Amino acid sequence: NAGVTQTPKFQVLKTGQSMTLQCAQDMNHNSMYWYRQDPGMGLRLIYYSASEGTTDKGEVPNGYNVSRLNKREFSLRLESAAPSQTSVYFCASTSPIAGVPDTQYFGPGTRLTVL
Amino acid sequence: KNQVEQSPQSLIILEGKNCTLQCNYTVSPFSNLRWYKQDTGRGPVSLTIMTFSENTKSNGRYTATLDADTKQSSLHITASQLSDSASYICVVRNRNNDMRFGAGTRLTVKP
Repeated sequence: NAGVTQTPKFQVLKTGQSMTLQCAQDMNHNSMYWYRQDPGMGLRLIYYSASEGTTDKGEVPNGYNVSRLNKREFSLRLESAAPSQTSVYFCASTSPIAGVPDTQYFGPGTRLTVL
Repeated sequence: KNQVEQSPQSLIILEGKNCTLQCNYTVSPFSNLRWYKQDTGRGPVSLTIMTFSENTKSNGRYTATLDADTKQSSLHITASQLSDSASYICVVRNRNNDMRFGAGTRLTVKP
């Protein structure tokens, strides 16, 4: 069981370039999430997918798009990268059960620098 | 202002000593509060979760407390080890399933 995997681990982009961050989980979880983590701030939700075929905006969705390719995979795309998108990006997954607090499992993160 | 405030921002202690990390929140209506440990260069890992009715919960050398009336939680680490060096993140969820993350406390345990 690899849990949640993310690729790449590191990436440097120039302003205006595009790229896709990949995330996959092998725990058969229904819900998947993309967060960004910036110094001095808590993780902020970019987009989430409650189940296969659905996606919703989180707290900071501007400049990003997502695709829930199948139950396992959830990708995050930056169409035209900006220096403000320099951050560490985390993917997470969980399977919520009504009435039971669920645990999110996080990937190792992708450190992105936009010059 | 962040709905989840953690203190201190950073803390340095000697191996074997105890420490307490604080989390104050304004998230409402409250559903649960979770403490995560995040090692450098890794994703957060859940340590403990507390619901409204729970005051104290332990996980090995980690003990979390919750006072839902004052909207405060603490994480106490006993007999610290070098491997406890990490960031500790407080996350509060409301009943609409929205989560708010604190900025974390960076703990360094020195030999």
